[in-house]
Amino acid sequence: TQLLEQSPQFLSIQEGENLTVYCNSSSVFSSLQWYRQEPGEGPVLLVTVVTGGEVKKLKRLTFQFGDARKDSSLHITAAQPGDTGLYLCAGGRHHNNDMRFGAGTRLTVKP
Amino acid sequence: GAVVSQHPSRVICKSGTSVKIECRSLDFQATTMFWYRQFPKQSLMLMATSNEGSKATYEQGVEKDKFLINHASLTLSTLTVTSAHPEDSSFYICSAIEYSYNEQFFGPGTRLTVL
Repeated sequence: TQLLEQSPQFLSIQEGENLTVYCNSSSVFSSLQWYRQEPGEGPVLLVTVVTGGEVKKLKRLTFQFGDARKDSSLHITAAQPGDTGLYLCAGGRHHNNDMRFGAGTRLTVKP
Repeated sequence: GAVVSQHPSRVICKSGTSVKIECRSLDFQATTMFWYRQFPKQSLMLMATSNEGSKATYEQGVEKDKFLINHASLTLSTLTVTSAHPEDSSFYICSAIEYSYNEQFFGPGTRLTVL
């Protein structure tokens, strides 16, 4: 059983569309990270959220941490083909020494 | 950000042989490193936590005698897949904690193919 549930599992959209990816859990996390991974490479950290209700913006990406620190969302505005990749959320329960990953959302943005 | 390297990036070996994968923190010291395995189209699964100067902590279901981890210095951890079999073929990724950034940085991964 996955500690962190991500949805959707797959997402294929046209360039310019908006999308939201969700990361949900029944557990409370001290921090939650979002990563993007391209084929054959390691994950690259996009953002870390630590405060319940926190919202962080990174250009066209908006990240939100739920008030109860059990869930998070990633919203991409005006998606571009370069956004294609596997988006992973990871929750830390004891600082960063105990991190668990969600199953990932595989995003394809078609030109 | 901090940089983590892995070597080799790809390795192909025959069944029954052992393969060593290195994970290095290039510009910081890492007392803790992690080893993950990722099968095609799946997420990362934590295999073990590698602590400098002590034994690694393995996740449930991971055979410690098959996946030998040595964290001999603050910048190097190695994972040795012993007597590899085709089912061990996977993408192995390491990561290291950089405490000043309070973040976990990942290596680029090693693609292991066992014939």
